[in-house]
Amino acid sequence: GAGVSQSPSNKVTEKGKDVELRCDPISGHTALYWYRQSLGQGLEFLIYFQGNSAPDKSGLPSDRFSAERTGGSVSTLTIQRTQQEDSAVYLCASSPNAEAFFGQGTRLTVV
Amino acid sequence: GIQVEQSPPDLILQEGANSTLRCNFSDSVNNLQWFHQNPWGQLINLFYIPSGTKQNGRLSATTVATERYSLLYISSSQTTDSGVYFCAVGPAGAQKLVFGQGTRLTINP
Repeated sequence: GAGVSQSPSNKVTEKGKDVELRCDPISGHTALYWYRQSLGQGLEFLIYFQGNSAPDKSGLPSDRFSAERTGGSVSTLTIQRTQQEDSAVYLCASSPNAEAFFGQGTRLTVV
Repeated sequence: GIQVEQSPPDLILQEGANSTLRCNFSDSVNNLQWFHQNPWGQLINLFYIPSGTKQNGRLSATTVATERYSLLYISSSQTTDSGVYFCAVGPAGAQKLVFGQGTRLTINP
């Protein structure tokens, strides 16, 4: 079946612009995660959604970052007033219980 | 928060060799996964293994939760095994996965 789908695959934006990254989880998966991976680094947790519960936003690095999940399915990660240090690959994962499955990521480059 | 340490950070082997990758974690976990990140950046699920031993072909993994470590074994390495191997743990009482820094494996022909 279809895996986790992220769009766009690549995004180049100018410093100061806002960007939206989209994640379509695997159908039926109740949990959804966002992570960030800077070049050559490990994965940094950003935010976690589980069903209708309040999201765990403890990993969001600043108030320029926000995320929502509509109808318990699609999620959007928004970065306002992008900075060069926001350049990274943004990875989304979904899970039916505990095992997480990742999408291919969105590579964001801020110039 | 929980600390996850992977060793070695880098490993270079010849095709056909065996390898053992280690993941140590500092607190109780209710989730542990091993991933392979291929050269295109995709994270491939290898094992969901919060405890016990599992095998899948040339790969196997063991987690000893009481001693807070997990091992990933790769036998008869192939060049396609190259990439970064990540261990990720879910702390008890939390839902997020915390990743180690990875082991970069290079298999030379």
